[in-house]
Amino acid sequence: AQSVTQPDIHITVSEGASLELRCNYSYGATPYLFWYVQSPGQGLQLLLKYFSGDTLVQGIKGFEAEFKRSQSSFNLRKPSVHWSDAAEYFCAVGVSSGSARQLTFGSGTQLTVLP
Amino acid sequence: DAGVTQSPTHLIKTRGQHVTLRCSPISGHKSVSWYQQVLGQGPQFIFQYYEKEERGRGNFPDRFSARQFPNYSSELNVNALLLGDSALYLCASSLIRVPGELFFGEGSRLTVL
Repeated sequence: AQSVTQPDIHITVSEGASLELRCNYSYGATPYLFWYVQSPGQGLQLLLKYFSGDTLVQGIKGFEAEFKRSQSSFNLRKPSVHWSDAAEYFCAVGVSSGSARQLTFGSGTQLTVLP
Repeated sequence: DAGVTQSPTHLIKTRGQHVTLRCSPISGHKSVSWYQQVLGQGPQFIFQYYEKEERGRGNFPDRFSARQFPNYSSELNVNALLLGDSALYLCASSLIRVPGELFFGEGSRLTVL
């Protein structure tokens, strides 16, 4: 069975600083990988996704992530954090079989941005 | 275009009661999924429906059931509510041809007393 680990429960960074959120996955086949963001009281928004090909993927809001098969990782990065980036971030691995679609999420990383 | 809409947004029930949550997908999306998000945790997969048929079920008891209607909207039903069912219930719709690119609603916050 697939699983996702986000080792950092809470990260605090200053506005303008760089950011890296860690994600490790366990899945027997080539994974579909995703990062979602959730602001308080809201649903989840897709930041970026990796299906195949280039291992560095670009997303919305200036985020990027790098797929490293050898490390089973898919870390999220942003070179300069904005106060509006404060939210909870979830990494997920997707399973597809026929028309079945299922995401397994990590437990999330809460990001606090200091002024 | 309207996004995924869920109702009700908040509700309070007592143990043993039954609840029905509703979801309308984005126009053109034929797949609807339900996730449970307990406070402080990531969402957990409950069901996925595509073309009105169940295509996947997570590790939830039979008290949880769902269905999808001809217009692709969906209902999640939970019987015999327990305190532990208190959570944010998220509905997501998607196009089958794009695995994992789910579009989430803002959720229904269920509190069981």
